Parts: sequence; C-alpha cells; structure tokens
Amino acid sequence: GAVVSQHPSWVICKSGTSVKIECRSLDFQATTMFWYRQFPKQSLMLMATSNEGSKATYEQGVEKDKFLINHASLTLSTLTVTSAHPEDSSFYICSATGLAGRAYEQYFGPGTRLTVT
Amino acid sequence: EDQVTQSPEALRLQEGESSSLNCSYTVSGLRGLFWYRQDPGKGPEFLFTLYSAGEEKEKERLKATLTKKESFLHITAPKPEDSATYLCAATYQAGTALIFGKGTTLSVSS
Repeated sequence: GAVVSQHPSWVICKSGTSVKIECRSLDFQATTMFWYRQFPKQSLMLMATSNEGSKATYEQGVEKDKFLINHASLTLSTLTVTSAHPEDSSFYICSATGLAGRAYEQYFGPGTRLTVT
Repeated sequence: EDQVTQSPEALRLQEGESSSLNCSYTVSGLRGLFWYRQDPGKGPEFLFTLYSAGEEKEKERLKATLTKKESFLHITAPKPEDSATYLCAATYQAGTALIFGKGTTLSVSS
C-alpha cells in the first residue's frame, strides 16, 4: 500500500511554454499533498502544501503565479509550471499523506525531471 | 527553531563493514521521526517511522532507533546495493511538511 505516482517521469519543454505534472495516490486518499524541488546533490526543498478543495499554501520565495497547484480530488494534485525558463529546470517530487492509521507518514512519488531549453 | 541535522554527510564502507548514521533533532512536540532512502534520480523511498524514545525497527540489514534527542540508522554487513542517500525527517503535526536533514550519502564498495 501507499503508492504515489507521478506523470510524466521526465519532460523537455521550450522556454516560455507551460508544463503540467500530475501526482496521484494510487491506493489511498491523500488528505494533503506536498510539492518539492530538488537540485543536484541537494536536499528536498518544499515548494507548497495543498489540501483537497483548498488553495495551496506556498513557501516563502515560491512564485504562486508561476507554480500553479491544483488539488481537485483526494487522489490527484497537479503542478503547472507556467512560462517556464531554463532556471526552472529541476527535479520535482510530490508526496502525499493520509493513509488510514498512519496520519504522520508521507509517501513520495518517483519524481519528474523537467528540462527547459 | 525546529531542526534536523544528519551526520556524517558522506560515508564510505567496505562490503560487510557495519556502521551507523546519526540524525539529531530539535523539534518541539515530536510526533514522528522518519527514515527514507533516496537513489539518484528517484523519489525518497519510505523505510521507517519511529514515534517514541526507545522504539526500534528493523528491515533486512537496517535498524532504526530513537532517543529523546537523536535517531540512529544502523547498517549491518552492508552490501553495494545499500549505496544511496539516507534522509532523516521529523514532524510535529499530521498534515504538515516534514523537516528534513540534508542526508547522508552512503557508498559501499565490494
């Protein structure tokens, strides 16, 4: 149990275009989902927290209009990088919590590698 | 300020050479201490949750322990496939983001 998937696993897009990344909890209902980005050889950096049906809470320094997060259902959250630029190239990872009886545990997706050319 | 600190940053072991990774924390009202394994280019893989001081959990060659100030991940007779970055994280409330350490990168050579 507690499987989280992400799609796509990797994506290349041109500068100025938008790209959407999906995060799904496959076998449990995720009350809360988190989005992280990770640069090479660095730890995870939290971008935002999202609860189903509510607006996401963004960390300081993360542009809300650039990184659009939608948590429309208890199993799906999406991250849209709008008007992407090369500096947005990174590894994006989502996590989900809400597994019955294990409220404190978070389970991570496999990550999405974004390259902006 | 709530904080999680891992040491060492990097650890090189020979196959079969047991060792321990350290995670010290200053988190008010700790509700859970977590260990994850992360391979290059992949998301963190859940290993253990520890809830209270004195608790221990084991999985294959790994054993995690918890005291009131720190947690240890003991690796017994490691194999090359145990090479990865091991992340420690803590939380004080369900539904909130984990507080991560910077990780320990373990390399096991045969």
